[in-house]
Amino acid sequence: NAGVTQTPKFQVLKTGQSMTLQCAQDMNHNSMYWYRQDPGMGLRLIYYSASEGTTDKGEVPNGYNVSRLNKREFSLRLESAAPSQTSVYFCASSVPGQGINEQYFGPGTRLTVT
Amino acid sequence: AQSVAQPEDQVNVAEGNPLTVKCTYSVSGNPYLFWYVQYPNRGLQFLLKYITGDNLVKGSYGFEAEFNKSQTSFHLKKPSALVSDSALYFCVFLGGANNLFFGTGTRLTVIP
Repeated sequence: NAGVTQTPKFQVLKTGQSMTLQCAQDMNHNSMYWYRQDPGMGLRLIYYSASEGTTDKGEVPNGYNVSRLNKREFSLRLESAAPSQTSVYFCASSVPGQGINEQYFGPGTRLTVT
Repeated sequence: AQSVAQPEDQVNVAEGNPLTVKCTYSVSGNPYLFWYVQYPNRGLQFLLKYITGDNLVKGSYGFEAEFNKSQTSFHLKKPSALVSDSALYFCVFLGGANNLFFGTGTRLTVIP
């Protein structure tokens, strides 16, 4: 099993450009998440999907959209990138219906917006 | 507001010595608490969790944590530190809608 995979690993955007971060998991998990990690602030939840066909806002959703394409894939879209969105983005998934179980994280995407 | 606090940004310990990474919580009801570790340039890995039951929780790589309700703490410990334990450690609680909320992290450096 590859676990949770993310593409791309690195990306540089100019202000106003758009892009989509891709995430896929092969563990048959129902729930998937997108976080951002900023220095000194830990990880903050952007959006999550409790199951296929549902998405909900997390702590910092502004400026982002998500799509749960199918059970395996959960993408994060920046429609008009801003320098404040420079961060490291992590996707995660967790076992079916069990929020108290651990989440499995991908390797991250480092995004710089100039 | 519910939260976890990691009072130390940086902890240095000599190889072979015991290590402690501190965490205190402010969570209503029965807290569900976790420790995650992030090795350099990698994603986060689960170490251990406290849900209920025994206050001493054992996890991966020889780590353990003690849940202390009277002190509202959930400190991470290991009896003998390894250089390979050097990483960024996050204390985490489970909030509403079964989502995780992370502390700010503590960078552990084990000195050979």
